[in-house]
Amino acid sequence: AAGVIQSPRHLIKEKRETATLKCYPIPRHDTVYWYQQGPGQDPQFLISFYEKMQSDKGSIPDRFSAQQFSDYHSELNMSSLELGDSALYFCASSLGGTGYNEQFFGPGTRLTVL
Amino acid sequence: GENVEQHPSTLSVQEGDSAVIKCTYSDSASNYFPWYKQELGKRPQLIIDIRSNVGEKKDQRIAVTLNKTAKHFSLHITETQPEDSAVYFCAASPNTGNQFYFGTGTSLTVIP
Repeated sequence: AAGVIQSPRHLIKEKRETATLKCYPIPRHDTVYWYQQGPGQDPQFLISFYEKMQSDKGSIPDRFSAQQFSDYHSELNMSSLELGDSALYFCASSLGGTGYNEQFFGPGTRLTVL
Repeated sequence: GENVEQHPSTLSVQEGDSAVIKCTYSDSASNYFPWYKQELGKRPQLIIDIRSNVGEKKDQRIAVTLNKTAKHFSLHITETQPEDSAVYFCAASPNTGNQFYFGTGTSLTVIP
């Protein structure tokens, strides 16, 4: 069965650079979530989209922005990168837009900021 | 917002023994409680979930119980095997919004 696809899988950036992470949800899933997971930490919710509209917002820094496109894929844009942004970034998708449904996680993008 | 606490943070058991991980939540509006297993460097994967209209759910060696009054839920793994070794996260989801609030994780080690 098709799973959530994230690209790139690994990304190395310098401080103050920008990065764009992409997420392709499971076909027919209409809701996308972004999580940030630091080493030894639990996943921290950043933001979610349902039917191309922002549906919930968590601890996403102002330097980050995201959107969901007409084909339901999503992009997380990160600017003025800081060392503390180094983490695993997971995208998850679900069907239905509520928190009542299983979220399927992608393999993650490991971002390293030097 | 919701606050999920998870205990213990680390747990070691002998192969074949049972493991229990407990979580508490604060928001009485939470109505969906998934459990995820995460191996090092890999994605969280759902192993079992429970909704607020159910008190217990079992899937082979894994069971979850929910006490809505006390606002706590637990994961039970019986007949543990070395491949059960991983970090386990509980989560709670209120019906307002759609984000998951994760616990801080339990690192389970099953000793052969």
